[in-house]
Order: sequence, then structure tokens, then C-alpha cells
Amino acid sequence: DIQMTQSPSSLSASVGDRVTITCRAAQDIRTYLNWYQQKPGKAPKVLIYGASSLQSGVPSRFTGSGSGTDFTLTISSLQPEDFATYYCLQTSSAVGYTFGQGTKLEIK
Amino acid sequence: QITLKESGPTLVRPTETLTLTCTFSGFSLSGRGVAVGWIRQPPGKALEWLTHVYWDDDKRYNPSLKSRLTIIKDTSKNQVVLTMTDVDPVDTATYYCAHLDGTRWYYYDYWGPGILVTVSS
Repeated sequence: DIQMTQSPSSLSASVGDRVTITCRAAQDIRTYLNWYQQKPGKAPKVLIYGASSLQSGVPSRFTGSGSGTDFTLTISSLQPEDFATYYCLQTSSAVGYTFGQGTKLEIK
Repeated sequence: QITLKESGPTLVRPTETLTLTCTFSGFSLSGRGVAVGWIRQPPGKALEWLTHVYWDDDKRYNPSLKSRLTIIKDTSKNQVVLTMTDVDPVDTATYYCAHLDGTRWYYYDYWGPGILVTVSS
């Protein structure tokens, strides 16, 4: 299976900040990379699919980029509701999918 | 409107077999490009992909758990069943089922609320 390395594991930021989370794949996954937001006690919610396509209903302050092995999720101006844990998921491998280890975004 | 919901036991004894059912509505699992998958999350830990079954009955399993997992779809009942054999306390987790949009980019776009399963004697 394809290992996904996500960083940082945690991040403190303030409302209005710009933040970037990265995910690195152990091999080329083209653009089969999704980003999810999860709040405590809730199911994950997809933000970005295909590395850069914004899911319907997700605010435009969320952007995804990258291809091959290196990907980023950027939140342009943090809002109070954005404090959550974020995960990447690769869906390239026919063998199976792999999540990153998560990034917990906390209020500074 | 697509919805999914997990059901099954919330407490299982070690070495037993866990059976979870995902009941869904708003789509058909006979539609091309559609799949239903299972993902789990131990308390305080990361998400882990387990398995999914496609509309054409193609199945994929997490290699590290493959020997213990079975996924079956019942299209007429709009259900997908996951079985996990020989459970251990490390299998304690919230188990989610999710709809996979596999028409182009392969992503889970709708999720059930999850069911917390505890493995303990």
C-alpha cells in the first residue's frame, strides 16, 4: 500500500491566518488525493477531491494543489469554524486507499 | 438526498466475529462508478481505510486486514455488510460507512454518523 506522510501533526493559528498542510505520497499518485475535515464526534467531510477540485458547498478559502507525490491544502483566512482535524486520503492505488496521520488545527 | 447509517453491536468479545451493516438511501449500488466503503477510527487516533465494494461487485481490502475482512453488498436491500473475524481490543473504534464517487476522482462524499464498537471481555 502507498504510505502518506502528512505534516505538521498539529498546528496553532489565529483567526485570519493563512495556513498550509502538506501530504507526501511514497509514490506517484497523480492527482488522486482528497482532503477531509473532521470535527470532534463527527464524520469526516470532504473538502477537496482530485487534488484541487473544491467540493460543492465548501468555502473558497480552502484550496488544494499538487500532483505526483506532493500536495498541499491551504486555508487562506482561518475562520472560527475551521479549527478541526484535517486528513488527506490517496485513492490512486488499486490495492487500497491510505489516509495521512492527520493535522490538528488549534486556536492560538 | 444520499444518507447512510451504520448498525450492529456496540460491544464485542475478543476472538468473536463483528458484523456491521450499512443501510443507505438516495442512490443505487448498481449504478456505474458507485461504491460503498468502510473506514474506522480508534479513539483519539487517525482514520484507517478498511474496504469497499463497487457496483460491479469488485472488492478491495486493506492489505493488513484482508484475511479478517469480508464485504458483501445486497443491492435489493440497499445494504452493505462488513464482517471482521477474530476481533481484538485494538479493533475498538468508530466504524464509518461511506459512499464513494468513483466516476472520475474516487472520493468518499457522503458518510454515515459512525458506530462506536468496543472490543472487551
